[in-house]
Amino acid sequence: AQKVTQAQTEISVVEKEDVTLDCVYETRDTTYYLFWYKQPPSGELVFLIRRNSFDEQNEISGRYSWNFQKSTSSFNFTITASQVVDSAVYFCALTDHSWGKLQFGAGTQVVVTP
Amino acid sequence: KAGVTQTPRYLIKTRGQQVTLSCSPISGHRSVSWYQQTPGQGLQFLFEYFSETQRNKGNFPGRFSGRQFSNSRSEMNVSTLELGDSALYLCASSLRGPLSGTEAFFGQGTRLTVV
Repeated sequence: AQKVTQAQTEISVVEKEDVTLDCVYETRDTTYYLFWYKQPPSGELVFLIRRNSFDEQNEISGRYSWNFQKSTSSFNFTITASQVVDSAVYFCALTDHSWGKLQFGAGTQVVVTP
Repeated sequence: KAGVTQTPRYLIKTRGQQVTLSCSPISGHRSVSWYQQTPGQGLQFLFEYFSETQRNKGNFPGRFSGRQFSNSRSEMNVSTLELGDSALYLCASSLRGPLSGTEAFFGQGTRLTVV
């Protein structure tokens, strides 16, 4: 079965602290894609990153970085030097060839206080 | 490049009524997916359309239906509304759809409240 688990419901940090969001996934496919989305209070899901199952390179984009480890079925997301504007709900999602949809995790609420 | 546009943004309906939500995808995108977001169930897939054909459907009752037009715009309809249908309905557009793994871009959603 296809499943995405985000065990952290809410993380509160003070500005400039780093925060890491965990994502663990399950799929029977060998070809799959992983995503992270940000949902600010306005409601729109903002695309952050896509990774396919054959590319285990970690990625850094500004203050954001992602650690993909197939051995542990994890795709974790780190925000370095957090800012108040990072406050949002972050979703990890998975899609594979047999499913044809995005399977989302429950989301992690990140609260950054000044 | 314009993003995904959903109309209306907010809607209040009475139980038993029906509602139609609209989604205009990013120009050139042929896949449109719909998701329902509620506090209890999270984000759940409703259906996906590609070139006017429904390719995939989530586990929702037949009261939920959709369609896609030749210009890729999509509508979803919910008939005989129930209180539990109150949710944020999100539309996502992508070039080739979830099966290809291309990233999906979401609209701001339609907040439906059923009273």
